[in-house]
Amino acid sequence: QVQLQESGPGLVKPSETLSLTCAVSGASINSYFWIWIRQPPGKGPEWIGNIFYNGRTKYNPSLQSRVTMSLDPSSNHFSLHLRSVTAADTAVYYCASSTWEDGPFGDWGQGSLVIVSS
Amino acid sequence: EIVMTQSPATLSVSPGDRATLSCRASQSVSSNLAWYQQRPGQAPRLLIYGASTRATGIPARFSGSGSGTEFIITISSLQSEDFAVYYCQQYNNWPRTFGQGTKVEI
Repeated sequence: QVQLQESGPGLVKPSETLSLTCAVSGASINSYFWIWIRQPPGKGPEWIGNIFYNGRTKYNPSLQSRVTMSLDPSSNHFSLHLRSVTAADTAVYYCASSTWEDGPFGDWGQGSLVIVSS
Repeated sequence: EIVMTQSPATLSVSPGDRATLSCRASQSVSSNLAWYQQRPGQAPRLLIYGASTRATGIPARFSGSGSGTEFIITISSLQSEDFAVYYCQQYNNWPRTFGQGTKVEI
């Protein structure tokens, strides 16, 4: 089983960049497929995007203009950067993994609450 | 994008009851449909994938069925730990999309 742990600031100012890191244990970042998902308070989850073991990415069109994901094999983690945030980006952000490219999200981190506020 | 619609929004049941939750896709997703359980304060947990295959460690009281646009998850005899919110999610098309959830309450 893959273990995942999100980390990053819990408070981000409007118009700034939200940056989160997901530390992976129990698997190499060079295998599997890696996902970011967010869940606004009281709402259902929203898929943000996938980053594949070769660095290829797939983003939600609703966020594509503001999102960048990357891998760091040297430290076995992957990252999310979301630019120009507003209050609507306030959510619990989860990282997750999938064992195949077109598969479900098998393992999840515990989540990281990010509040966008001045 | 494919819209996933779950019903009912809330299901009030008693321990030991059988619960049936529905999920409808706005277009066919074949059998590329997953169900997740989310308890308060926790991350979602994968229960079912491929519409009917239980994930590792998931009890046999959870079963899934359906294909195309209509899907069901059934909990045969509700235990106390099953009271939670359940989400369906399609992984047939991009972007991946979730339903709005069904809350199973006592």
